[in-house]
Amino acid sequence: AQSVTQPDIHITVSEGASLELRCNYSYGATPYLFWYVQSPGQGLQLLLKYFSGDTLVQGIKGFEAEFKRSQSSFNLRKPSVHWSDAAEYFCAVASSGGYNKLIFGAGTRLAVHP
Amino acid sequence: EAGVAQSPRYKIIEKRQSVAFWCNPISGHATLYWYQQILGQGPKLLIQFQNNGVVDDSQLPKDRFSAERLKGVDSTLKIQPAKLEDSAVYLCASSLDGVGGYEQYFGPGTRLTVT
Repeated sequence: AQSVTQPDIHITVSEGASLELRCNYSYGATPYLFWYVQSPGQGLQLLLKYFSGDTLVQGIKGFEAEFKRSQSSFNLRKPSVHWSDAAEYFCAVASSGGYNKLIFGAGTRLAVHP
Repeated sequence: EAGVAQSPRYKIIEKRQSVAFWCNPISGHATLYWYQQILGQGPKLLIQFQNNGVVDDSQLPKDRFSAERLKGVDSTLKIQPAKLEDSAVYLCASSLDGVGGYEQYFGPGTRLTVT
């Protein structure tokens, strides 16, 4: 069965510091991978997605993620965090061969210190 | 372009009562999804519609939850009777198509509290 693990429940970084959020997935075939962000009281917004091709994908708001098949990982990175990046981040996987069902991880809550 | 609309935004009910949520997807989107997000967890798909038809309701508790999408546009999700463990945020999403890879656009959600 497909699953997504986000090992870090909470992460705190200082404004201007770099960020890496971890995501590991379990899926038998080539997955579609996504990162979403959820601000308080709001729905989920897509940051970036990986379907195929270049394993380093660029997203909105200065985020990027790298797909590593050998490690079953899809970690999210940002070189310099802004206070407005404080939110909850979800990694998700979808079947590349069937209906567009997303399996989400439990999320990582990011706090940013000024 | 208008986003996915949901109402109400908040609802408080007592256990054993019934409740209904409404969703209006982005115009032209054939696929509509309902997710349940319990506090501290990621969203879990309850049901997926492709136009009027259901393509996945494997995780919908059918003894108490029901959903419909009339005319392939708006959708309602109903819980009857509600249990304490139904307290969660209910998210509606839509996408152009239901085949893997199409971006899902999420509404703001309805926060349900069952007391």
